[in-house]
Amino acid sequence: GEDVEQSLFLSVREGDSSVINCTYTDSSSTYLYWYKQEPGAGLQLLTYIFSNMDMKQDQRLTVLLNKKDKHLSLRIADTQTGDSAIYFCAESMMGGGADGLTFGKGTHLIIQP
Amino acid sequence: EPEVTQTPSHQVTQMGQEVILRCVPISNHLYFYWYRQILGQKVEFLVSFYNNEISEKSEIFDDQFSVERPDGSNFTLKIRSTKLEDSAMYFCASSGSGSGSYEQYFGPGTRLTVT
Repeated sequence: GEDVEQSLFLSVREGDSSVINCTYTDSSSTYLYWYKQEPGAGLQLLTYIFSNMDMKQDQRLTVLLNKKDKHLSLRIADTQTGDSAIYFCAESMMGGGADGLTFGKGTHLIIQP
Repeated sequence: EPEVTQTPSHQVTQMGQEVILRCVPISNHLYFYWYRQILGQKVEFLVSFYNNEISEKSEIFDDQFSVERPDGSNFTLKIRSTKLEDSAMYFCASSGSGSGSYEQYFGPGTRLTVT
């Protein structure tokens, strides 16, 4: 079945780049997502990438997809204290409406001053 | 900016009781979802809903669960007879049409505690 794996913690210094990694098992995954969850809040959609793309950039965020290795990464440039949160990787088989997402356990991003 | 809202933020109930969790999706969205997150575990898909019927459901979504869109704005999740293991954060999400259907927007969640 579908499975998404992430490391649980990542610690970076303020101002450095953060790279959060994710692997997925289902090669037919169509869309891959990154969500952010701050304490006490819901899941905020950050960005997503279609499986026929290798890279997507949106301001400080860069998503890289290696479809051969089923590996997805999220790079946050110039990490700030406000980036401290849990980051969830998720995948969708069909990508379109009504398709449920399969989530990883989330990576806690810890910012050191 | 439009957002998904959920009520209540926290619900405490006794085992065996029925609960209804409420959600107001983004107003022009067509697809609606429920997910849950047991403490320390992954966010899990429960069900999706489109055109007044269930589109897809997971193994978790058994006969104890039901969903309804009672009017043009609300989307509810009912658990008929709650069990201790139903204690979790429940998230509602919605997505739009066309290319917008790829983007699921989540509410802040309802924490359900079953005692």
